[in-house]
Amino acid sequence: DGGITQSPKYLFRKEGQNVTLSCEQNLNHDAMYWYRQDPGQGLRLIYYSQIVNDFQKGDIAEGYSVSREKKESFPLTVTSAQKNPTAFYLCASSPTTGNGYTFGSGTRLTVV
Amino acid sequence: AQSVAQPEDQVNVAEGNPLTVKCTYSVSGNPYLFWYVQYPNRGLQFLLKYITGDNLVKGSYGFEAEFNKSQTSFHLKKPSALVSDSALYFCAAYMTTDSWGKLQFGAGTQVVVTP
Repeated sequence: DGGITQSPKYLFRKEGQNVTLSCEQNLNHDAMYWYRQDPGQGLRLIYYSQIVNDFQKGDIAEGYSVSREKKESFPLTVTSAQKNPTAFYLCASSPTTGNGYTFGSGTRLTVV
Repeated sequence: AQSVAQPEDQVNVAEGNPLTVKCTYSVSGNPYLFWYVQYPNRGLQFLLKYITGDNLVKGSYGFEAEFNKSQTSFHLKKPSALVSDSALYFCAAYMTTDSWGKLQFGAGTQVVVTP
């Protein structure tokens, strides 16, 4: 079945450590996105990529980095520069404008 | 500025009663509108979309939405709510002048259906 997979589902890290969240899709979608969601809050865009080897900052890119070396993969690194990294992270993909997004099931990151 | 607004943080409804979740939009062209639902600790799931055509759109799980161009609204409705409909609902729109095609999401509305 086609879909978008985020791993791991839960992630714990010590403060000051970088951590990478995985996002893989087999939908042949061109665009991929990373969102952050805090408890009871809406979605905030971190980074997005429309094509391989190209990506753009979203509204809250500081303290995060991404890469898009393959069409299927869009990993997100939460760096030590991110002051409040504990959150629920959602990855999404889409084919072309007008077709909406397919979301992964999310990764809950807890930094202690 | 182009935006999507969900004016209610939370909607409370008794099981069996009609459910309405409000959404208004502000775009410069013709909007492409979506509704998504999110259950706790899960990703967003697609419910329905409006791109063109009939103003009443039917979607998953018995939900429907009515596009009203004059009121710039796209309210989500369900004739008879279930306890299992309790979730966080997001309205979203493509601002069609945006060449990157990013969806603009509303802030979300928490729906609580009581038995």
